[in-house]
Amino acid sequence: GQSLEQPSEVTAVEGAIVQINCTYQTSGFYGLSWYQQHDGGAPTFLSYNALDGLEETGRFSSFLSRSDSYGYLLLQELQMKDSASYFCATRSYNTDKLIFGTGTRLQVFP
Amino acid sequence: DAGITQSPRHKVTETGTPVTLRCHQTENHRYMYWYRQDPGHGLRLIHYSYGVKDTDKGEVSDGYSVSRSKTEDFLLTLESATSSQTSVYFCAISEHGQGGSQPQHFGDGTRLSIL
Repeated sequence: GQSLEQPSEVTAVEGAIVQINCTYQTSGFYGLSWYQQHDGGAPTFLSYNALDGLEETGRFSSFLSRSDSYGYLLLQELQMKDSASYFCATRSYNTDKLIFGTGTRLQVFP
Repeated sequence: DAGITQSPRHKVTETGTPVTLRCHQTENHRYMYWYRQDPGHGLRLIHYSYGVKDTDKGEVSDGYSVSRSKTEDFLLTLESATSSQTSVYFCAISEHGQGGSQPQHFGDGTRLSIL
């Protein structure tokens, strides 16, 4: 089977840096995506890593290590508006389907 | 923002009644997906479509059916709703398949309560 594991909750203070980890078990691998979802809102796409290394988009970066079946989302200069749930996702083997992790709830405190 | 509209946004109904949720897109994307989201389970795929009249099952398809007669519309039907189908339902679209490399764009969701 295929699965993605994330911590259920992470807390941090404004201005800090936080890392949200994702470990996966998949048959074949097609890259790792990250989505953000605010309470009551829809998931929105943040980033995608196909290859090992760091992808940076403003305050957010995403990292992938295929040899370790591991990735993380790094959020810098945290703001209150970053309080949300974050999901990693990968494509199911040989299909067009995405499999999502169970999500990490990030709470940012003043 | 991607043009995706889900209707209704909220619905309360009784066990045993049929329910149809609609997803409408204005992006002309080929791929459309229905997910349900429950606490502790993240997003789970119910069904998806890779073209008009072309659909496939996801991981939690039992009790659900779908239809796609036009590119822009993807319907999710609960033939006989049960309380276990109380959930938030999201529609998503994608221009290309291989969803890992191509972002999916989500609708605002439908909150469905079955009493």
